[in-house]
Amino acid sequence: DADVTQTPRNRITKTGKRIMLECSQTKGHDRMYWYRQDPGLGLRLIYYSFDVKDINKGEISDGYSVSRQAQAKFSLSLESAIPNQTALYFCATSEATGGDTGELFFGEGSRLTVL
Amino acid sequence: AQSVTQLDSQVPVFEEAPVELRCNYSSSVSVYLFWYVQYPNQGLQLLLKYLSGSTLVESINGFEAEFNKSQTSFHLRKPSVHISDTAEYFCAVSALMDSSYKLIFGSGTRLLVRP
Repeated sequence: DADVTQTPRNRITKTGKRIMLECSQTKGHDRMYWYRQDPGLGLRLIYYSFDVKDINKGEISDGYSVSRQAQAKFSLSLESAIPNQTALYFCATSEATGGDTGELFFGEGSRLTVL
Repeated sequence: AQSVTQLDSQVPVFEEAPVELRCNYSSSVSVYLFWYVQYPNQGLQLLLKYLSGSTLVESINGFEAEFNKSQTSFHLRKPSVHISDTAEYFCAVSALMDSSYKLIFGSGTRLLVRP
């Protein structure tokens, strides 16, 4: 089983709908992240969380919200989806102890299409 | 602010030929450097990383990268590529932000290996 699991893996929805992408991890890491990937733009950070009570905006947080329900769970919500949020979304984790280098461990991605 | 530049969006190459994927970053301080690989329909996997010590780092599947501080580069090379190396490759640099390291990604280079 994957250490970082994302659900759903694929989702097609319509403009204005609320969407939630979920992420769970078994790595025991405190830090969790949501990125989106767009062709030619690489990965851009949406939100990150260093523990259950800590939520921080990344570079492209507008139109998104997150919830850290537990150390192992971090969900991303689109309250009212729009077509330019069509992208591949990745959840990632990193560890704080043992040396903070920023190295990330990724889930397999959630492909979201907003029509 | 930190930035990472991958000049080549796509690199086509014939099987068994050598390849170099270029990566330059902007930084005047010590950094940690990473290459991630994304195979079709999969998430990102760590290929190799430079944290300290020898400036030449290697992966288990024959890739290597050399940290060049004076040129702020971390180019990825392989002397002989296989069809199975077809993937997208992302260079990333750790940047110290808000008292912790976070990864900044380049826009990616798609390696297309042809028979």
